[in-house]
Amino acid sequence: DAKTTQPNSMESNEEEPVHLPCNHSTISGTDYIHWYRQLPSQGPEYVIHGLTSNVNNRMASLAIAEDRKSSTLILHRATLRDAAVYYCILKNYGQNFVFGPGTRLSVLP
Amino acid sequence: DTEVTQTPKHLVMGMTNKKSLKCEQHMGHRAMYWYKQKAKKPPELMFVYSYEKLSINESVPSRFSPECPNSSLLNLHLHALQPEDSALYLCASSQVSKSYEQYFGPGTRLTVT
Repeated sequence: DAKTTQPNSMESNEEEPVHLPCNHSTISGTDYIHWYRQLPSQGPEYVIHGLTSNVNNRMASLAIAEDRKSSTLILHRATLRDAAVYYCILKNYGQNFVFGPGTRLSVLP
Repeated sequence: DTEVTQTPKHLVMGMTNKKSLKCEQHMGHRAMYWYKQKAKKPPELMFVYSYEKLSINESVPSRFSPECPNSSLLNLHLHALQPEDSALYLCASSQVSKSYEQYFGPGTRLTVT
């Protein structure tokens, strides 16, 4: 399974944008980039995923580098409810999700 | 409805007990999963069911026995567990397709005494 690396932790101020980076230098051409988050005492929650093009949904945006070796999850206006562990995962057909340690995001009021 | 439900929310059991965890989804998903998550660690895959058949067992000890009675239900039968099996057990479901998102339940927090 292709690996991802993320910072252990990040801090953000409430109502400011947050950019969560993920490096995946060994990504294959058919690996999808998935982002999940896990709020305290809850199961993981799907955030967004993409293959090559940038993606937007109601929760976040996903910016994928042209060479696909890195990506960035963008939360446009962080709220206290966005404090969670964010996981960046590569997924290909026939493979299963392998969660890495993720990035623990703290949001300061 | 994008909800995966799990019961019970909490479970305390002795090492000689037999208990079961239950997971249910009504999204028409044909893949279902069990994960184990220890405190401060990421979830680890245990089992995968695809079209109600066990497709992946990640070398899980036999004291954990999964069952998928139909496309909406997933059980995890527990017997003779050890204290180190105490963890959050998460169920998830998804479509069976090339790129899919998984929907997770809230988990069952298991304590083995």
